[in-house]
Amino acid sequence: GENVEQHPSTLSVQEGDSAVIKCTYSDSASNYFPWYKQELGKGPQLIIDIRSNVGEKKDQRIAVTLNKTAKHFSLHITETQPEDSAVYFCAASMWGSQGNLIFGKGTKLSVKP
Amino acid sequence: NAGVTQTPKFRVLKTGQSMTLLCAQDMNHEYMYWYRQDPGMGLRLIHYSVGEGTTAKGEVPDGYNVSRLKKQNFLLGLESAAPSQTSVYFCASSYNFGSEQFFGPGTRLTVL
Repeated sequence: GENVEQHPSTLSVQEGDSAVIKCTYSDSASNYFPWYKQELGKGPQLIIDIRSNVGEKKDQRIAVTLNKTAKHFSLHITETQPEDSAVYFCAASMWGSQGNLIFGKGTKLSVKP
Repeated sequence: NAGVTQTPKFRVLKTGQSMTLLCAQDMNHEYMYWYRQDPGMGLRLIHYSVGEGTTAKGEVPDGYNVSRLKKQNFLLGLESAAPSQTSVYFCASSYNFGSEQFFGPGTRLTVL
């Protein structure tokens, strides 16, 4: 079955710097890679996702890149702000198939003002 | 739309007690899920359902039971709570397998 590894487990940056979180997956059949943000005391919320037919997707200050050959994908946050502080989870699945979303263990991002 | 709601938000149980967590969604999603979240362990799937009247085991199903009598509701039961079941429980729903999941706000359960 699918296995998703996420690094680092914690990340601290200064406000305005960039943050990068990386994930690797094991099942080459996976084709859907979402990223979730979980603020303190709340449930995870989707912030961006990418499908395997594209290599990069951007939404304002966040972007996700996918390397299918190496089986890894990354979340990039530019110009970080204190409100970006949260736990971020990556996940992988075969969209529409019998496979559930498999989550990484999460990265706690702290943005220092 | 309320999205996904969970009841209760907090609960303290004694070892051996039973309880039911309720999840409700108003998005007409077929698929619903129960996860537990423990420090450093990410989100682990307990049980899931692909439609009304169906349930299936996830990664960590032992000690839990579920029911999906109505499409909009997914119940998680603990028949005899154990301290190892102290965790935060999240319910989620989606319109398809592997697609975006919408999460509820969570239930913090402590078993003494």
